[in-house]
Amino acid sequence: GDSVTQMEGPVTLSEEAFLTINCTYTATGYPSLFWYVQYPGEGLQLLLKATKADDKGSNKGFEATYRKETTSFHLEKGSVQVSDSAVYFCALSDLGYGQNFVFGPGTRLSVLP
Amino acid sequence: ETGVTQTPRHLVMGMTNKKSLKCEQHLGHNAMYWYKQSAKKPLELMFVYNFKEQTENNSVPSRFSPECPNSSHLFLHLHTLQPEDSALYLCASSQGDGNYGYTFGSGTRLTVV
Repeated sequence: GDSVTQMEGPVTLSEEAFLTINCTYTATGYPSLFWYVQYPGEGLQLLLKATKADDKGSNKGFEATYRKETTSFHLEKGSVQVSDSAVYFCALSDLGYGQNFVFGPGTRLSVLP
Repeated sequence: ETGVTQTPRHLVMGMTNKKSLKCEQHLGHNAMYWYKQSAKKPLELMFVYNFKEQTENNSVPSRFSPECPNSSHLFLHLHTLQPEDSALYLCASSQGDGNYGYTFGSGTRLTVV
């Protein structure tokens, strides 16, 4: 079945550092790819998405490029802030409902001032 | 405000109690979902409703009973829960099969004592 793998956390960075959170996937079809963010005490919020190969999703300074050849969708940000501290989930949607929307285990990011 | 509203935000219940979680969306989405998020475990899909019809039930114990009276409302009825059922319960909705992403509520933090 489809699956999403993320780098294990927690990731701890200083403010203004460069962020990369790796995400790779396996899928039977041509999935759409997503990054969700969960701030403490909140639900998941869609951060960015890409629906086909070579698409780049971007939002709030975060970027991720859909790489079909490496089956990856790594999340990057050039300069993190304390307010970026959260858990980040990579996910894919591979047609259909429910089971075909697969989340990674999440990566906790802590940004220190 | 994400467009998906969950109530209550926090719930403490005894193992013999009966309670219900409520989810409401006015985004015009036709699919709704219940997820369970436990500490240090991946997100677990519990139930899927598509156009008010339950399309998936992921081997969830019968002490959890979903109800979807219309496309905008989703309930999770709880009875005789166990302490290990303590978790964050997240509701989500999507338009179609979720190829454009899911919209999540803020969750209900459930504690079973």
